[in-house]
Amino acid sequence: DAEITQSPRHKITETGRQVTLACHQTWNHNNMFWYRQDLGHGLRLIHYSYGVQDTNKGEVSDGYSVSRSNTEDLPLTLESAASSQTSVYFCASSESLGLSNNEQFFGPGTRLTVL
Amino acid sequence: DAKTTQPNSMESNEEEPVHLPCNHSTISGTDYIHWYRQLPSQGPEYVIHGLTSNVNNRMASLAIAEDRKSSTLILHRATLRDAAVYYCILEKGSNYKLTFGKGTLLTVNP
Repeated sequence: DAEITQSPRHKITETGRQVTLACHQTWNHNNMFWYRQDLGHGLRLIHYSYGVQDTNKGEVSDGYSVSRSNTEDLPLTLESAASSQTSVYFCASSESLGLSNNEQFFGPGTRLTVL
Repeated sequence: DAKTTQPNSMESNEEEPVHLPCNHSTISGTDYIHWYRQLPSQGPEYVIHGLTSNVNNRMASLAIAEDRKSSTLILHRATLRDAAVYYCILEKGSNYKLTFGKGTLLTVNP
């Protein structure tokens, strides 16, 4: 069955370190998204991609970068981790159907703690 | 971007219908109305979406007001597994981006 996976599921790192969170989907979806979820804020969009070599900034992109070298993967990199980036990170994907976003499929999330 | 307003929390009893309201008075003509839910310790999952007409699927029904300034997600018979945070989201047509608010926490009593 097609799925979307995230790794690692839990990560503890130190301030200033570079961290990369992996997201892999086997739906063959064009669209991929990264969100973060903090208490009291719901989910906020970090970066998104509409296809290979395409990346766009979301609402809270400062301190994060993504690259899309193939359809299946959209890794999220924290260049220099900060305590404010402690959060739960969700990856999602969806198919481009022209008129609307029919359904975004979400991964299980990565809980990141920056000490 | 157009905003949505939902109650912070609602409570229901098992096997009873649940009507979750959402106001979106600044909705534009090309905005789609989406509903997602998030069970504890999981990622959000799609529930239903629509543009102008009411929609039904195996999970729920979506009733959209004629002026589109409000909508209601209807769970026909709530179960304990329906306890979750429900998000009402507007998506600009062909934008594919979802902007999540704080949602409604639904508690289902046995």
